[in-house]
Amino acid sequence: QSVLTQPPSVSAAPGQKVTISCSGSSSNIGKNYVSWYQQLPGTAPKLLIYDNNKRPSGIPDRFSGSKSGTSATLGITGLQTGDEADYYCGTWDSSLNSGVFGGGTKLTVL
Amino acid sequence: QVQLVESGGGVVQPGRSLRLSCAASGFTFNSYGIHWVRQAPGKGLEWVAIISYDGSSKYYADSVKGRFTISRDNSKNTLYLQMNSLRAEDAAVYYCAKDLAYRSGQLDYWGQGTLVTVSS
Repeated sequence: QSVLTQPPSVSAAPGQKVTISCSGSSSNIGKNYVSWYQQLPGTAPKLLIYDNNKRPSGIPDRFSGSKSGTSATLGITGLQTGDEADYYCGTWDSSLNSGVFGGGTKLTVL
Repeated sequence: QVQLVESGGGVVQPGRSLRLSCAASGFTFNSYGIHWVRQAPGKGLEWVAIISYDGSSKYYADSVKGRFTISRDNSKNTLYLQMNSLRAEDAAVYYCAKDLAYRSGQLDYWGQGTLVTVSS
């Protein structure tokens, strides 16, 4: 059971928009920055969003992040087939003194 | 460019030990916390451990506490994970990943991973 809660799967058509939610608590999301990772099949995770809503260099602005209270959301617009991947949220939990991840969300672009 | 290269994975019997290494380059290694994260086959990411920039502070997941030890050699730009008393449930791909700072829980660079199989 993951500390952060994500939907197991989401789907949308090419060109459409999708959002992925990540729910936590006051000791993790409520207190610390949230990051999002994309894991394409057979590859290592890659940082997509950090500090709740910032994109590393090279990440297109189709990807966005937001945070409110103890929840965070990843948004992806203009969906492409190449966006099909598993997406994870992550942060630090100040009570557990551990890193924490969501269980992952599989994105299918229909 | 930042590179993290894990090694040391393999097949090990339950109860035995294994040491993983992570060679870092392309950044000031002794300025950042570094994590180990694992992923069992077909499963999600599981955080394992973190070590501070100077090795003075370490935190572990409950699932590995007392069995795994994270360490680093800043003179060699290398991170280690000593895994003792291995169990079947420790089988996974193990990634090392650089923290944006220390205990931010935000990992900006990841290695390619090394596979650990625990089987008799």
